[in-house]
Amino acid sequence: GESVGLHLPTLSVQEGDNSIINCAYSNSASDYFIWYKQESGKGPQFIIDIRSNMDKRQGQRVTVLLNKTVKHLSLQIAATQPGDSAVYFCAEREGGNTPLVFGKGTRLSVIA
Amino acid sequence: DAGVTQSPTHLIKTRGQQVTLRCSPKSGHDTVSWYQQALGQGPQFIFQYYEEEERQRGNFPDRFSGHQFPNYSSELNVNALLLGDSALYLCASSLRLGLAFNEQFFGPGTRLTVL
Repeated sequence: GESVGLHLPTLSVQEGDNSIINCAYSNSASDYFIWYKQESGKGPQFIIDIRSNMDKRQGQRVTVLLNKTVKHLSLQIAATQPGDSAVYFCAEREGGNTPLVFGKGTRLSVIA
Repeated sequence: DAGVTQSPTHLIKTRGQQVTLRCSPKSGHDTVSWYQQALGQGPQFIFQYYEEEERQRGNFPDRFSGHQFPNYSSELNVNALLLGDSALYLCASSLRLGLAFNEQFFGPGTRLTVL
């Protein structure tokens, strides 16, 4: 299949372990943040979002943490599975219909 | 309920040619955004269409233009293709609700190769 990113930072995780993917954002005015998962040959898929008035939000097996003081966002995946292997992007936005600004991405590789 | 669809899947062009890419938004969505994703990079915003008008534009030259039709589908046109235009072109649709946060749904993309 088509490769989304050939030279991205890579995180290798054993199946069943927890994964933590980090992202530094640049715009202190951003008030909405999203994590996307992109598998080879596909478009980005929404995972979870968080607004700037929150510092933590949980979904199914995923948790997003936001630290506005240091402009840092993280995605935690519990009990990582082979199907979680993909490139993960964080994206920020100033709200409403303003354009999404994507980070560089991290490739997650799950070792069975 | 079909999601965002894009055509064609792959396209090969030569320098100087022109290309048109197409996008049909998710049912019920009225806003279409286009992104360019170079290999190894995150998507970069090109422009956004709502009510058949370009509403916002990223840092892309005038060679990149678009159109939105009354049925909300959209086209991206690129003229005078350069080698550097080779990328995955993504379409994302959303529902505009004033200033409300609204999730964008992405299509699978069109892989453009310029030789």
